[in-house]
Amino acid sequence: GNSVTQMEGPVTLSEEAFLTINCTYTATGYPSLFWYVQYPGEGLQLLLKATKADDKGSNKGFEATYRKETTSFHLEKGSVQVSDSAVYFCALSSTSGGYNKLIFGAGTRLAVHP
Amino acid sequence: DGGITQSPKYLFRKEGQNVTLSCEQNLNHDAMYWYRQDPGQGLRLIYYSQIVNDFQKGDIAEGYSVSREKKESFPLTVTSAQKNPTAFYLCAIKETDYGYTFGSGTRLTVV
Repeated sequence: GNSVTQMEGPVTLSEEAFLTINCTYTATGYPSLFWYVQYPGEGLQLLLKATKADDKGSNKGFEATYRKETTSFHLEKGSVQVSDSAVYFCALSSTSGGYNKLIFGAGTRLAVHP
Repeated sequence: DGGITQSPKYLFRKEGQNVTLSCEQNLNHDAMYWYRQDPGQGLRLIYYSQIVNDFQKGDIAEGYSVSREKKESFPLTVTSAQKNPTAFYLCAIKETDYGYTFGSGTRLTVV
């Protein structure tokens, strides 16, 4: 079945460091891919998305490129801030029997220190 | 103020009690979803609904029930059959072909 695997956290960085959070997926067909962010005590917010191979999603300095050949969608940011501390979820959109749903990775907690 | 509203934010349940979590949306979207979040396990799909009076079991439906009598509302009942109900519950709507929007969640604790 379809699945998403993320690197385990927590990831701890100093402010202005470079961030990479790895995400790989297993899916039939060509799913859409997403990164969501969750701040403490809140729901999930869409950070960025990509709908086809080689698409690059970007938002708030974060980027991720849909790599079909490596089935990956790694999240990157050139210079993190303390306010980026949150849990990040990689997800894919799966359609089966006419129904569409999101399948999530386990999440990666990011802690950024001043 | 448009969007998706979950209530209550915090809920406490005694052993053997059923509780119902509310999810309401005023964005006129058809597809709605319930997810459960446990620490270190990401989100798992409980139930989803494509249209009124239709819903499908997700990956962990046992011990839960839903209804979809109105387009705006998709309540989730956590029954006494759910062995470990303490978790963070998130409702979502599918806004476009590629976009999902989540509510702010309900944290359920068994006391």
